[in-house]
Amino acid sequence: DAGVTQSPTHLIKTRGQQVTLRCSPKSGHDTVSWYQQALGQGPQFIFQYYEEEERQRGNFPDRFSGHQFPNYSSELNVNALLLGDSALYLCASQPGRADTQYFGPGTRLTVL
Amino acid sequence: SQQGEEDPQALSIQEGENATMNCSYKTSINNLQWYRQNSGRGLVHLILIRSNEREKHSGRLRVTLDTSKKSSSLLITASRAADTASYFCATLPNAGGTSYGKLTFGQGTILTVHP
Repeated sequence: DAGVTQSPTHLIKTRGQQVTLRCSPKSGHDTVSWYQQALGQGPQFIFQYYEEEERQRGNFPDRFSGHQFPNYSSELNVNALLLGDSALYLCASQPGRADTQYFGPGTRLTVL
Repeated sequence: SQQGEEDPQALSIQEGENATMNCSYKTSINNLQWYRQNSGRGLVHLILIRSNEREKHSGRLRVTLDTSKKSSSLLITASRAADTASYFCATLPNAGGTSYGKLTFGQGTILTVHP
């Protein structure tokens, strides 16, 4: 049973560019959350998707957007990249409203 | 913003010793969870304790929760070099509000276990 998978593993972009990160949830999970983890910090919640809709959102600007597909996979899009967007982006999945989230290995984004 | 703080920020011990990490949080919670992260990669769920529980065990892990002090501790007994990682506490707020399902993490404790 595959766990949560994310692609790509690493990504380098320049300021002003746009980026799309992808996540496939664990089998049987229909809820996907995205987190941003800056170096030396704990993860910060970006948003959560359920039934293809954004269910909750953290304190992130509109430059951060997402999508969930009918197969429950999800994308995170970041527009107009800033240097401060450099971070590890983590995807987590859970079945419905379960308490425990299962995390993927993350995508390390570097903005130059 | 982070929910709370973890203490200590870094902990260095010898194999076989016990490691204790503390976490404080600010708001009313449904449950508190502990995660481990190796080398800046994905997080692994370790243990969950609900707001009506005071202590929970899982293998070499013991977690306590004091809701009156809004604090929790994670004890790892008989530590091993493989326990070297960053440990994070995360809180889930009470259900019913718009924050349901949103995990709020602390800043983490870096644990180093020397062979």
